[in-house]
Amino acid sequence: EADIYQTPRYLVIGTGKKITLECSQTMGHDKMYWYQQDPGMELHLIHYSYGVNSTEKGDLSSESTVSRIRTEHFPLTLESARPSHTSQYLCASSELAAYEQYFGPGTRLTVT
Amino acid sequence: EDKVVQSPLSLVVHEGDTVTLNCSYEVTNFRSLLWYKQEKKAPTFLFMLTSSGIEKKSGRLSSILDKKELFSILNITATQTGDSAVYLCAVCGGAQKLVFGQGTRLTINP
Repeated sequence: EADIYQTPRYLVIGTGKKITLECSQTMGHDKMYWYQQDPGMELHLIHYSYGVNSTEKGDLSSESTVSRIRTEHFPLTLESARPSHTSQYLCASSELAAYEQYFGPGTRLTVT
Repeated sequence: EDKVVQSPLSLVVHEGDTVTLNCSYEVTNFRSLLWYKQEKKAPTFLFMLTSSGIEKKSGRLSSILDKKELFSILNITATQTGDSAVYLCAVCGGAQKLVFGQGTRLTINP
């Protein structure tokens, strides 16, 4: 069983607010990822990290930013939330030499 | 651009039926193909396939990969209502990132 946690699980926030979505894993995985998923649609990679102080943008353009100061922690920040940011955000992690990723429970974000 | 296409997008069957879900892909420098089950929240890992023709099996679920024809199938036999979920296929290519398909929404009616 994968030990990867996301908080909050649900968030409703007004336009223009700054928010941080938290993701932590206790498996010591080097690689971590953020995906965005709209209802009934594919997961799209928005950010990833291969280790501490390493972050890269994914395939889907996103106005969010990430940081990786500690191995176990990979927070995602939106400086100014907009209704177009309404979506589910999924965090995942994997071992450095592995392809399979383990997912957290997700944060469902609604921006009004 | 790497691409994964799943079919059907939606499938409704009765409990006890056998189902086959399809995944075709185009990817540069194929490394692996993965199947996930997504219920209301996080996708959970089912199988990873890297070699053609070798069936992976877990209980009533099995999967096989054809690297020549660029597709994989996921079979579920004797379906149960708990199998109702979205089944996601993903491929890992040269960039070592997963590219996901849109998923097949499977509904098992009692």
